[in-house]
Amino acid sequence: DAGVIQSPRHEVTEMGQEVTLRCKPISGHDYLFWYRQTMMRGLELLIYFNNNVPIDDSGMPEDRFSAKMPNASFSTLKIQPSEPRDSAVYFCASGRGRTNEKLFFGSGTQLSVL
Amino acid sequence: AQSVAQPEDQVNVAEGNPLTVKCTYSVSGNPYLFWYVQYPNRGLQFLLKYITGDNLVKGSYGFEAEFNKSQTSFHLKKPSALVSDSALYFCAVRDKGSSASKIIFGSGTRLSIRP
Repeated sequence: DAGVIQSPRHEVTEMGQEVTLRCKPISGHDYLFWYRQTMMRGLELLIYFNNNVPIDDSGMPEDRFSAKMPNASFSTLKIQPSEPRDSAVYFCASGRGRTNEKLFFGSGTQLSVL
Repeated sequence: AQSVAQPEDQVNVAEGNPLTVKCTYSVSGNPYLFWYVQYPNRGLQFLLKYITGDNLVKGSYGFEAEFNKSQTSFHLKKPSALVSDSALYFCAVRDKGSSASKIIFGSGTRLSIRP
């Protein structure tokens, strides 16, 4: 298995532009998590899905952020409009089973909003 | 609400010496506890977990962690540090009694092993 695949690896955009981050979880995993990592705030859980259904989006910072999982093999995190304070590394992770004893992380997307 | 704290931003250890990276947690019920490691420009990798059973759990790369319920701690340890252990380490917790599957991570501790 190729592991969790995220794209793009790096994204540089200007304030006000729409940004879409993509994630392909490991086949057979029924949980998908989006995390954001910054120096100031560490690793924050933004939202997670179970069987493609959003379960908890309480970590999504603002209405500018939205996430979808149209099928078991694909998820997107969209920021519209983007702001400089959104600059961070965004990680997607997938796991299997309710206990999620082991999460598998993608390599992350480094987002820079100028 | 569940939370996890890593009180040290950085830990410096000489190669060959034992290392400890501290973690304390807070959950309403019993915890699932985890340690992950992050190397530069990479995603997090699973090291070990405590679900139930023995308080001392062993994981990858010679690491182990001790669950202490009375102190609500789950410190990561290794008897003899290697330079290659230098990385960012994260402790994580999930509330076993919760119907939710949220896994919350600590702020991370940077481990630096000097030759």
